[in-house]
Amino acid sequence: KAGVTQTPRYLIKTRGQQVTLSCSPISGHRSVSWYQQTPGQGLQFLFEYFSETQRNKGNFPGRFSGRQFSNSRSEMNVSTLELGDSALYLCASSLRGQPNTGELFFGEGSRLTVL
Amino acid sequence: AQTVTQSQPEMSVQEAETVTLSCTYDTSESDYYLFWYKQPPSRQMILVIRQEAYKQQNATENRFSVNFQKAAKSFSLKISDSQLGDAAMYFCAYRGEETSGSRLTFGEGTQLTVNP
Repeated sequence: KAGVTQTPRYLIKTRGQQVTLSCSPISGHRSVSWYQQTPGQGLQFLFEYFSETQRNKGNFPGRFSGRQFSNSRSEMNVSTLELGDSALYLCASSLRGQPNTGELFFGEGSRLTVL
Repeated sequence: AQTVTQSQPEMSVQEAETVTLSCTYDTSESDYYLFWYKQPPSRQMILVIRQEAYKQQNATENRFSVNFQKAAKSFSLKISDSQLGDAAMYFCAYRGEETSGSRLTFGEGTQLTVNP
C-alpha cells in the first residue's frame, strides 16, 4: 500500500512569490491535514480537509490556504512568501469517522526555502 | 487550549541500554489519544506507539512502552535495548476526541542519540 506522497520534496522561492504544495493521501484515507515544522516554532497545525471541506484550521494568516479534491488529494498554497515561511511542510492522512485509532500517517514533507 | 511539553531537548543512551523520554500535557478533555512519533533524519514522521486515555493499561510495542499517568497528565516513553536505529527526534503528541478531526498538538521534541 503506497504511503503519503508529497511533491515537490524541495523548492526554493523568493520573497513575494507564491507556492503550491501537493499531497496524495494513502488510498482510502479521506482526511488530509497539513503541518508546518520550523526549528523555532516546532510542529504547528495548519489545517485539515475532509471530503473536500476544511474542517479545522490553525492559527496562520490568510496567506496560507488549501483545498482538497474529490480523490482526496490536497494542495496547500502560500501566497506573498515571507522569509519566515521557510519550513518543512508535512502532510498527514488518516481515516476519519471510523473505529478511530487516531493515527496520522505522514509524508516525507516538502522543504521550502524562501530567499 | 491543549499543550504538550517535552522538557528534555536532548537525551543520549548507550546501545542496548534503556532510556525514558518525558512528556506532560495539559487538557480539560476526558477522552483523548496520546502518541509518540519518531522523526529520523529522513524527515518522515513514524508512529512509535499510541495510548487511548480511557485505557488504564499502558501501551507496549515490542521494545517501546509507555508510562501513562492520567491524573498527573504524564506520558513517558521507555525504549528498552536501545538500537542505533532508534536515534531520531521523538515527538509526543496529543489528539482530543472532542476537538474535531485530526489535529495533533505536538511537544517540542527530544533528540535521542544512541552511542555504540
